[in-house]
Amino acid sequence: DAGVTQSPTHLIKTRGQHVTLRCSPISGHKSVSWYQQVLGQGPQFIFQYYEKEERGRGNFPDRFSARQFPNYSSELNVNALLLGDSALYLCASSSEAGTSGNTIYFGEGSWLTVV
Amino acid sequence: AQSVTQLDSQVPVFEEAPVELRCNYSSSVSVYLFWYVQYPNQGLQLLLKYLSGSTLVKGINGFEAEFNKSQTSFHLRKPSVHISDTAEYFCAVSELTGFQKLVFGTGTRLLVSP
Repeated sequence: DAGVTQSPTHLIKTRGQHVTLRCSPISGHKSVSWYQQVLGQGPQFIFQYYEKEERGRGNFPDRFSARQFPNYSSELNVNALLLGDSALYLCASSSEAGTSGNTIYFGEGSWLTVV
Repeated sequence: AQSVTQLDSQVPVFEEAPVELRCNYSSSVSVYLFWYVQYPNQGLQLLLKYLSGSTLVKGINGFEAEFNKSQTSFHLRKPSVHISDTAEYFCAVSELTGFQKLVFGTGTRLLVSP
């Protein structure tokens, strides 16, 4: 079975532009989460979606938004890009909404460089 | 709120030697504990997790970790490392209830040399 797949794998954007990152969860998984990993740091939680509803939001500005589609795939959108948005964006999926006894699987990420 | 501290940013070790990667956490509520590994240019892979029960948890690739509630620690150990264990290791916690959110430490780079 395919794991969590993300696209694109690498992209370069200019300050002020907008970016859309896409994620397909493992088949059967209804929960998708997004994390930002800045170089040299641990991943930081951005959003969790479960059954197309936002379940949780991290401490990120309103420039960051996301949505989940009926097939449980997800998009992360970032508006008005700043240099500090340069990072690896990780998508994770799981079968349940909470964390109890539930393994969270990560994709390989999308590398975003803002110039 | 929770926080995770990984004091060692980098741990060099020779092949076949034992290794311990340290993790301490802070939380006002009970948490689940995780160790993830990130190989170069890859995503995160779960090594092991502590939910409840025995404080010694065994994971994949010969790794194990011990939960110590009084010291709020969850150190990762391996008795004999291989070159292929060279990677970044992240400790993480999550609350027992609510939405699914992992709080990660800053990571420890394990460098295994021959």
